Amino acid sequence: LAKTTQPISMDSYEGQEVNITCSHNNIATNDYITWYQQFPSQGPRFIIQGYKTKVTNEVASLFIPADRKSSTLSLPRVSLSDTAVYYCLVGGPYSGAGSYQLTFGKGTKLSVIP
Amino acid sequence: DGGITQSPKYLFRKEGQNVTLSCEQNLNHDAMYWYRQDPGQGLRLIYYSQIVNDFQKGDIAEGYSVSREKKESFPLTVTSAQKNPTAFYLCASSTVVGNEQFFGPGTRLTVL
Repeated sequence: LAKTTQPISMDSYEGQEVNITCSHNNIATNDYITWYQQFPSQGPRFIIQGYKTKVTNEVASLFIPADRKSSTLSLPRVSLSDTAVYYCLVGGPYSGAGSYQLTFGKGTKLSVIP
Repeated sequence: DGGITQSPKYLFRKEGQNVTLSCEQNLNHDAMYWYRQDPGQGLRLIYYSQIVNDFQKGDIAEGYSVSREKKESFPLTVTSAQKNPTAFYLCASSTVVGNEQFFGPGTRLTVL
């Protein structure tokens, strides 16, 4: 079971780049790494997903080293509206056999300061 | 609009009563999930369903039950056997288990 570890909280000033790292030492070969954003009293929202190296979309980048034991979510030029909890999720496609292992980290609370 | 809905947003029940939380999706997704979130905590998987008429226990299934009779619907029943049912409950769906999940707005259950 791939357990994940993230910093509990981070602070950043508006306009800065923020990097949140997630450790997943027991990641399995078929596992992907997915990041979600959650605002208070709302359901999480998908940000980005990757398997290895670097993935970039319109809102974030995801860096995954060769050993895949960690990953870093990078948010460029954060604004006040990026204040939220960010979750790292490790899991792979379900083979249909046995139970599915799906592990959310405890999340990192990002506070963006004006 | 395609999406996933949960109802009601707030739910109050007396201790010892069973309660059913609704989850509906019109995204044509095969997989659906139920999570529980306690204050200041992450998400914990209760049940998931890969396809109609099939569902599997997650990490904290005790005291909960589900059904998946239709592709669009995945109701969760919180039974009286659940020791601490007060929590925020989130339903999600994805094309298949393991892919990007789309979450509903959640139901906040308070047991008095």
